[in-house]
Amino acid sequence: NAGVTQTPKFRILKIGQSMTLQCTQDMNHNYMYWYRQDPGMGLKLIYYSVGAGITDKGEVPNGYNVSRSTTEDFPLRLELAAPSQTSVYFCASTSSPPYGYTFGSGTRLTVV
Amino acid sequence: KQEVTQIPAALSVPEGENLVLNCSFTDSAIYNLQWFRQDPGKGLTSLLLIQSSQREQTSGRLNASLDKSSGRSTLYIAASQPGDSATYLCAVNNDMRFGAGTRLTVKP
Repeated sequence: NAGVTQTPKFRILKIGQSMTLQCTQDMNHNYMYWYRQDPGMGLKLIYYSVGAGITDKGEVPNGYNVSRSTTEDFPLRLELAAPSQTSVYFCASTSSPPYGYTFGSGTRLTVV
Repeated sequence: KQEVTQIPAALSVPEGENLVLNCSFTDSAIYNLQWFRQDPGKGLTSLLLIQSSQREQTSGRLNASLDKSSGRSTLYIAASQPGDSATYLCAVNNDMRFGAGTRLTVKP
């Protein structure tokens, strides 16, 4: 099925560890986004990309890095995990903002 | 800085009731406002998008209105059903500043 695929679905990290959250879409969307959602809160934009090779910071970028080497993939990197990064992470894409956003099902990350 | 607020945080109603969810924003100079539905453990699904020049949008039993001057949008759900139980979020503009959402439970 076409859509946005996020892996892994769940992960537990120890403080100071690193990991990459994967996001892939097969709809040839130029625009891709990473959000985090803390309990009882709305989504906050971490980073976004308007096309391959182009990325920009969102509302809460500290502690994260991204790359966009292809149209399909938009991985999110955590270098030194901290408890404050415990959250659910969503990846989304669209070809034409504000229309047609497709969200992945999320990655639940716990940092202990 | 745009702030988006949704009240109430949670709402429980009996099946068949009509209900209204509220979304308020601090900066009235918006381009658009979008309502999403989020089911537990799932991503978001777009329900309705209102452009700044529009006053309302309708899809089936859902009607969303926008009043830029007062910084408010409402999502009206008619004849609610248990399948409507979910969290409803509003988001403003293309960079999508989200509210915290309203968790709706419709009891059979």
